[in-house]
Amino acid sequence: KQEVTQIPAALSVPEGENLVLNCSFTDSAIYNLQWFRQDPGKGLTSLLLIQSSQREQTSGRLNASLDKSSGRSTLYIAASQPGDSATYLCAVRGAAGANNLFFGTGTRLTVIP
Amino acid sequence: DAGITQSPRHKVTETGTPVTLRCHQTENHRYMYWYRQDPGHGLRLIHYSYGVKDTDKGEVSDGYSVSRSKTEDFLLTLESATSSQTSVYFCAISEGGANGYTFGSGTRLTVV
Repeated sequence: KQEVTQIPAALSVPEGENLVLNCSFTDSAIYNLQWFRQDPGKGLTSLLLIQSSQREQTSGRLNASLDKSSGRSTLYIAASQPGDSATYLCAVRGAAGANNLFFGTGTRLTVIP
Repeated sequence: DAGITQSPRHKVTETGTPVTLRCHQTENHRYMYWYRQDPGHGLRLIHYSYGVKDTDKGEVSDGYSVSRSKTEDFLLTLESATSSQTSVYFCAISEGGANGYTFGSGTRLTVV
């Protein structure tokens, strides 16, 4: 079974800092990987989707990379803002046709003004 | 979340009672999913549907059933609620293929 780990579990940084969130997975035979943001008491908002054939995806201040062979993905947030405070979840989808996302337990980010 | 709504948003129920949660989508996506989210665990799949009347079990399906009589609606039923089913339940939709998932806002269920 695919295991997804996110380190650190919590992170606190001053506003303006660039930061990296990590996601690792045990089975490299993935179809794609999706990063989500979750605000307290809210649903999940999709940030970036990376297909297994891609190395990275960018959206605004966010950049996600994927190294499938080593079972790792990183989410880079540039020039962090207090509004970036949330829990960030990484989810991996297995081989083509698989109907499940395997989630990590998330990294809770606090950006201090 | 645009195109996907869950109801109710909050519910408190007693042990042993049946409970039905509803997920409604306006995106005409083929796939629909029910997940639960608990502290210390990532979201875990309960059941999913790949078409009208076509459903299958996920990794934590015991004690749950689902139905999909229309493309837009996916119902999750707890036949006899237990305290271990206290959780936040999320519905998700996908077009399938290489597309990502879109999640609803969740239903917070408390079984007392």
